[in-house]
Amino acid sequence: GENVEQHPSTLSVQEGDSAVIKCTYSDSASNYFPWYKQELGKGPQLIIDIRSNVGEKKDQRIAVTLNKTAKHFSLHITETQPEDSAVYFCANRNNDMRFGAGTRLTVKP
Amino acid sequence: NAGVTQTPKFQVLKTGQSMTLQCAQDMNHEYMSWYRQDPGMGLRLIHYSVGAGITDQGEVPNGYNVSRSTTEDFPLRLLSAAPSQTSVYFCASSYLASDYGYTFGSGTRLTVV
Repeated sequence: GENVEQHPSTLSVQEGDSAVIKCTYSDSASNYFPWYKQELGKGPQLIIDIRSNVGEKKDQRIAVTLNKTAKHFSLHITETQPEDSAVYFCANRNNDMRFGAGTRLTVKP
Repeated sequence: NAGVTQTPKFQVLKTGQSMTLQCAQDMNHEYMSWYRQDPGMGLRLIHYSVGAGITDQGEVPNGYNVSRSTTEDFPLRLLSAAPSQTSVYFCASSYLASDYGYTFGSGTRLTVV
């Protein structure tokens, strides 16, 4: 199937710093790009999404950018806090959803 | 509360035993799916359904069966459990529209000994 590559696999930042997670995809027909946050012992939760007709979307400290020409999209978290520590998954959807392998983000107080 | 409900949360099986993982959603979503999550492997699709009476295989379907008799329920059956099926299982649902996200359940942690 069509793959989604996600980098880095682990990311450690100091509280207050920014964190960036990047994904590339291969299915040019994808039109929906969500990001999920998974805390320990819980299911993934949608935190932000972007559709193919938009290049950037922001929600408080979280932003997502999409470059359809280059087939990559990124999650940006500013002013990180310890509660941002979790595993983050990117995904893209044409018919079904394809997920990246995940990034474990650790925010050190 | 609207959402996806999975039961049980934890289960230990002996090799060869069978069991059914339950999944129910109350959002009238047409699409439902099952994923397994293993360390370092991300989320892998087992089976999915686009509506009542319609199911199809995902990436890793072997050893699992599903059925979809109603819009709300999508149970996952393990006919003869194997240690390789030790994993965390997530059910997800969504509208069929391709620009809509999935809602996940809280997961079932299954151990096969």
